[in-house]
Amino acid sequence: NAGVTQTPKFRVLKTGQSMTLLCAQDMNHEYMYWYRQDPGMGLRLIHYSVGEGTTAKGEVPDGYNVSRLKKQNFLLGLESAAPSQTSVYFCASSLRTGDNSPLHFGNGTRLTVT
Amino acid sequence: DAKTTQPNSMESNEEEPVHLPCNHSTISGTDYIHWYRQLPSQGPEYVIHGLTSNVNNRMASLAIAEDRKSSTLILHRATLRDAAVYYCILRASLTGTASKLTFGTGTRLQVTL
Repeated sequence: NAGVTQTPKFRVLKTGQSMTLLCAQDMNHEYMYWYRQDPGMGLRLIHYSVGEGTTAKGEVPDGYNVSRLKKQNFLLGLESAAPSQTSVYFCASSLRTGDNSPLHFGNGTRLTVT
Repeated sequence: DAKTTQPNSMESNEEEPVHLPCNHSTISGTDYIHWYRQLPSQGPEYVIHGLTSNVNNRMASLAIAEDRKSSTLILHRATLRDAAVYYCILRASLTGTASKLTFGTGTRLQVTL
């Protein structure tokens, strides 16, 4: 049981380049989330999804887009990367939220934008 | 969102109990108290959660004050593998369906021999 898998693990981009981060979960979870973690800031929610085909904005959505075409995958896109998007990105999933189901996190993608 | 306050860091000796405090004076009646921890170079890991009553599981215990304005995560016997950043989080429901977790900066626990 792999849980939540994020690819790639590391990436370096130049300002203006685009990329997509992939999150895959094999637990048949309904909800998926993208967070970013910066030193001294804790984790901040970027976007989330409550089911296949649906997405919603979180706390810091600007500069990012997401898609949930399949239940098991949640993609985070950066159309034009900026140095301010240098961060560690974590994907998470949960079975449902009504009963406080725990979030399961991946091990992160470390992104550097130069 | 209601916020939590935790000490920046704590130290413990191995095999000793550890009490990690969290203040959440603006907690609402329907907020659950969640604890996660993050080991170095890993994503956060769920530890425990509760609403009003004290909770126990295989990893830890959660003691919640009667007025719910504070809580304490208890590791009964700390090991070196428990060295991590521990986050105390109030889980609020968003409009409609999903509930989000708002992470603070947590408490960095150091465990020494």
